[in-house]
Amino acid sequence: AQSVSQHNHHVILSEAASLELGCNYSYGGTVNLFWYVQYPGQHLQLLLKYFSGDPLVKGIKGFEAEFIKSKFSFNLRKPSVQWSDTAEYFCAVNAHYKLSFGAGTTVTVRA
Amino acid sequence: GAVVSQHPSWVICKSGTSVKIECRSLDFQATTMFWYRQFPKQSLMLMATSNEGSKATYEQGVEKDKFLINHASLTLSTLTVTSAHPEDSSFYICSARETRASGRWDTQYFGPGTRLTVL
Repeated sequence: AQSVSQHNHHVILSEAASLELGCNYSYGGTVNLFWYVQYPGQHLQLLLKYFSGDPLVKGIKGFEAEFIKSKFSFNLRKPSVQWSDTAEYFCAVNAHYKLSFGAGTTVTVRA
Repeated sequence: GAVVSQHPSWVICKSGTSVKIECRSLDFQATTMFWYRQFPKQSLMLMATSNEGSKATYEQGVEKDKFLINHASLTLSTLTVTSAHPEDSSFYICSARETRASGRWDTQYFGPGTRLTVL
């Protein structure tokens, strides 16, 4: 079975700082990779996804992620965060038509 | 597009009663819907996969007689928690995946979740 690990449990940073959230997965076959965001009191929303092609994927709200197959990683980045980026971020791997989620990273952006 | 709704958004019930949660895809047809459970400060755990017109597939450790799933149409799946107990209190989230014909079947869209509290 596949597993997903997110390295950071809670990240606190100031506005305009750069953000990088780590995500590693364990699965030897073909995978689809996702980052979801859950803003306070809201439901999960898709930030970006990778299926194939260019390993650098751009998503909504200025987020991007890079798939590095050799490292089994799919790290999320944003060059300059805003207060509104405060949320819970989940990395997910789709294998065998099921999503496996990482534990999530709480991101707190201070104004 | 790709909006998923859940009803109710929260429910409080007495121990021993049953609770039904609905999941609807509002603007697309969903051959497959998924039910997750999320504990506080934890990730989503897949409970079962629901395919329209067939029996649900449950993950290991999930009691199928306790968590009844019905997916009678391409836009509606229901989760019934039978004989609920306090340990069933949790946040239940559904997601839906479009049909293969849509070309967007590899992405799941999530509902807002249902908070269940069993007294």
